[in-house]
Amino acid sequence: GAGVSQSPSNKVTEKGKDVELRCDPISGHTALYWYRQSLGQGLEFLIYFQGNSAPDKSGLPSDRFSAERTGGSVSTLTIQRTQQEDSAVYLCASSLVGGGAGANVLTFGAGSRLTVL
Amino acid sequence: DAKTTQPNSMESNEEEPVHLPCNHSTISGTDYIHWYRQLPSQGPEYVIHGLTSNVNNRMASLAIAEDRKSSTLILHRATLRDAAVYYCMLISNTAGNMLTFGGGTRLMVKP
Repeated sequence: GAGVSQSPSNKVTEKGKDVELRCDPISGHTALYWYRQSLGQGLEFLIYFQGNSAPDKSGLPSDRFSAERTGGSVSTLTIQRTQQEDSAVYLCASSLVGGGAGANVLTFGAGSRLTVL
Repeated sequence: DAKTTQPNSMESNEEEPVHLPCNHSTISGTDYIHWYRQLPSQGPEYVIHGLTSNVNNRMASLAIAEDRKSSTLILHRATLRDAAVYYCMLISNTAGNMLTFGGGTRLMVKP
């Protein structure tokens, strides 16, 4: 597609439920990033996918968080047994990787706002 | 990844130029200097990036110090719509980037 698409744009859930957030990156972008932004805070790195390499999961805050990227394209971030502190905007970004003037320029989606009651 | 340092906030008057500084003293030879901004209630958006030479585009200019240890994002005429958080990042052109954002600079534009 023309841009990075994220769904749902808003999700309200009850504490303890599982949620799935989806990111559809720009076609051909091999790098995909997930970030979390709590209200009034900066961007917190969660996970990074690059091609067929093992993802960098070093930013995931707990084992309740997981993410996968199927076929090198769409990615799903799953949060199990949601807690109120999980409430935030979850942002996805994608980029080309490598040399060249346009490589490594991040394009962000609009984000998925998660509210855990 | 290499660290960047930016002032927490800056103020500008509308229609005046704004110079947003960034220090990156540990920059490596493969690191490009990227700037992004985040408007209220939106995801970050790309502004400009460069390696060694100064760069201009329709949004802004990027001035890079000769030793590459600092850079300045220049908005030539600030508008109210430029009020945002501006992030400076170093992104290597090699694979395996775990990209972290610093706190950025919150730019306030006064009418």
